[in-house]
Amino acid sequence: GAGVSQSPRYKVAKRGQDVALRCDPISGHVSLFWYQQALGQGPEFLTYFQNEAQLDKSGLPSDRFFAERPEGSVSTLKIQRTQQEDSAVYLCASSFGESYEQYFGPGTRLTVT
Amino acid sequence: GENVEQHPSTLSVQEGDSAVIKCTYSDSASNYFPWYKQELGKGPQLIIDIRSNVGEKKDQRIAVTLNKTAKHFSLHITETQPEDSAVYFCAAKRGADGLTFGKGTHLIIQP
Repeated sequence: GAGVSQSPRYKVAKRGQDVALRCDPISGHVSLFWYQQALGQGPEFLTYFQNEAQLDKSGLPSDRFFAERPEGSVSTLKIQRTQQEDSAVYLCASSFGESYEQYFGPGTRLTVT
Repeated sequence: GENVEQHPSTLSVQEGDSAVIKCTYSDSASNYFPWYKQELGKGPQLIIDIRSNVGEKKDQRIAVTLNKTAKHFSLHITETQPEDSAVYFCAAKRGADGLTFGKGTHLIIQP
């Protein structure tokens, strides 16, 4: 069946630009997670949704990062006024529920120049 | 918060030999421990997981063991094959929290 999809796969932004990254979870998965993976490191948790409710945003590094999931399905991670330190792979994962296995998408590689 | 340490950072084994990767965690409330395999340019792929009420789980050539008292868990891969070459991540989670990952192990299978 279809897995988690993310778009775009690659994004180059000039410093100061805003970007929007999209995640399509597996159909029927109510939980959705965003992670940030720096080069050579493990993924780091950013935020968590259960349906349309954002239940945990403790991992968002600054108020320039914003995520939404208005209809409880597709989610968008927005980064305003991008900085070089935002360069990373942004991963989305979905699961049937908060205590179930998380399945990851291929990620979006963001490069800020 | 949770902290996960993973060792070694690089592991090279001969094809057909076994590979073992070890992780420790700090939060005794963590109750779910998955392992992911990540190939270049791809997202992490779940390969096996274990919950805190189980001490060992096996799936063909892959097994995971958990020692709750010592707060460590390990991944065992037997009869390694070239396609096992990848970066492996352990992770820990409690309740509705997000996963906390280790820094990864680059597994190299020598032909």
